[in-house]
Amino acid sequence: DADVTQTPRNRITKTGKRIMLECSQTKGHDRMYWYRQDPGLGLQLIYYSFDVKDINKGEISDGYSVSRQAQAKFSLSLESAIPNQTALYFCATSDSRIPGHQETQYFGPGTRLLVL
Amino acid sequence: KNEVEQSPQNLTAQEGEFITINCSYSVGISALHWLQQHPGGGIVSLFMLSSGKKKHGRLIATINIQEKHSSLHITASHPRDSAVYICAVKKWRGATNKLIFGTGTLLAVQP
Repeated sequence: DADVTQTPRNRITKTGKRIMLECSQTKGHDRMYWYRQDPGLGLQLIYYSFDVKDINKGEISDGYSVSRQAQAKFSLSLESAIPNQTALYFCATSDSRIPGHQETQYFGPGTRLLVL
Repeated sequence: KNEVEQSPQNLTAQEGEFITINCSYSVGISALHWLQQHPGGGIVSLFMLSSGKKKHGRLIATINIQEKHSSLHITASHPRDSAVYICAVKKWRGATNKLIFGTGTLLAVQP
């Protein structure tokens, strides 16, 4: 079974709709991240969370919000989707408590989002 | 200019060839990662380096901190190595564990 799961895997929505992408992990990691990937660009950080009560904006947080409902769950919301949010979205986790391992991030399978 | 640059952007090789993918960065770093993105989209961490060299199977990663350069080598390449290879760095200052990603190298290994 996958350690980091994302739902849905694919989503088509219309401009103006609110959608939520979910990420769950069974690795017991404290840190979680949301990235987006666009063709020809490197992964860009949207939001990250170091703990349930710790949420931080990344490079491109405008138009997005997140919720860390539990240590194992980190959700990304698009409040009013627009076409340029069409992208591949990845969730990732890392563990800050193991020396030497804290910088390795483990990625989910990705969610392909198309905003029409 | 991107803080992490990869070359080449695209690479086609014949099965069995020795492959090198390069990564240069312009910031001070505490670690460099090599990641593999499969055609289906999934991303897997291959190596994390802060100095020297690491080897795993047919994959070898090296880093030269003074020259701010890293290479990923694949020996005896196989069509199943076809993927996008991504370099990412963690800046030296900052405890946020945020990574800066290169745009990736698309590798196609032909039988």
